[in-house]
Amino acid sequence: KNEVEQSPQNLTAQEGEFITINCSYSVGISALHWLQQHPGGGIVSLFMLSSGKKKHGRLIATINIQEKHSSLHITASHPRDSAVYICAVILKANTGNQFYFGTGTSLTVIP
Amino acid sequence: GAGVSQTPSNKVTEKGKYVELRCDPISGHTALYWYRQSLGQGPEFLIYFQGTGAADDSGLPNDRFFAVRPEGSVSTLKIQRTERGDSAVYLCASSLGQGAYEQYFGPGTRLTVT
Repeated sequence: KNEVEQSPQNLTAQEGEFITINCSYSVGISALHWLQQHPGGGIVSLFMLSSGKKKHGRLIATINIQEKHSSLHITASHPRDSAVYICAVILKANTGNQFYFGTGTSLTVIP
Repeated sequence: GAGVSQTPSNKVTEKGKYVELRCDPISGHTALYWYRQSLGQGPEFLIYFQGTGAADDSGLPNDRFFAVRPEGSVSTLKIQRTERGDSAVYLCASSLGQGAYEQYFGPGTRLTVT
């Protein structure tokens, strides 16, 4: 069982489309991160959330603590948004913080 | 300013050899994390440091893996008696503190064990 589940695993969209990537987790968390990884590239942190909603440019991230669910939205998608998007959570545990990652959503935006 | 740096960027080694991977965090970041990412998978947590001490090393797969951060800045991940299954990209990240702080990732070290 994976503590963090992402959907979809793969996503292809036309340029300009609105995109949603979902992340569900199974236990209480202290924070959730959305990360972006380009092919052959490093990982960039897009958002860190513990409640509510954050917006940066065309990217919006929301989290619902009660439902243990987060979404990453991309408005007016562009080919340069093509990347793997990874959800990562920091879980509260008796032994301290524990870190778990989803397997990622591979996004391809076609011109 | 300078981000997180990792050296080497690539390392090829023979099965059974010892390797060291280095991470230079962002100056002033007290928390440092090591992750491992296999092809087609998400990153997997290995260990994190708060200052000089390993706050949580529960992700280290076995006792061949060890990490240090003697002065609370640079960290070295050490792998003894490497196995082909250790081949992966080893990622380092740092943050201002532990827990709910944004993490900044290095470019990774691609380790290949032949």
